[in-house]
Amino acid sequence: AQKITQTQPGMFVQEKEAVTLDCTYDTSDPSYGLFWYKQPSSGEMIFLIYQGSYDQQNATEGRYSLNFQKARKSANLVISASQLGDSAMYFCAMRGLSGAGSYQLTFGKGTKLSVIP
Amino acid sequence: EAGVTQFPSHSVIEKGQTVTLRCDPISGHDNLYWYRRVMGKEIKFLLHFVKESKQDESGMPNNRFLAERTGGTYSTLKVQPAELEDSGVYFCASSQDRIRGGAEAFFGQGTRLTVV
Repeated sequence: AQKITQTQPGMFVQEKEAVTLDCTYDTSDPSYGLFWYKQPSSGEMIFLIYQGSYDQQNATEGRYSLNFQKARKSANLVISASQLGDSAMYFCAMRGLSGAGSYQLTFGKGTKLSVIP
Repeated sequence: EAGVTQFPSHSVIEKGQTVTLRCDPISGHDNLYWYRRVMGKEIKFLLHFVKESKQDESGMPNNRFLAERTGGTYSTLKVQPAELEDSGVYFCASSQDRIRGGAEAFFGQGTRLTVV
């Protein structure tokens, strides 16, 4: 079974500063994928970044980067130069294979990020 | 290109009533997923369609929940009869591939269901 742990229920960051959102995972599968999603107050889930378990380099997408430490089973999201629009819930998720042969996402509880002007 | 669309955005019903949620996936996406987030808990997988077939419904909580995907296009999730513990946000997602590689699942905005 897969498990995602996000230990920070809420985080504050000053505008223009960088912030790291923590995510640790547990799985027995050798092949897996890690995702980060953003959920603003409007409710939709917005895909931010993906890291495959065999990827040699950390994933980056604009101001988002994923600090992937495989041995420690962590996949922290780093947001550089925070903007007011970054205030939202952030979910870490892992793609795993269910017993029924279906790929599905396992989510953490989320971290609420608030950017302070 | 239109994204994943869910209807309604909010629904408030009384315990014992029936509610039907609808999801229109991105055109051409064979894979359609339903997830649910109950207040204060993680987002949980409910089921997965590949075209019109149920690939995996292991996350469906009980037989009060019925999901269909007519003709492999839009999907409905019916709750009958609704109970208080069914309150939460129901998300639909679609993808071309089975979330392998970098194929992310595109999510809708969710339906917030409140059972009173």
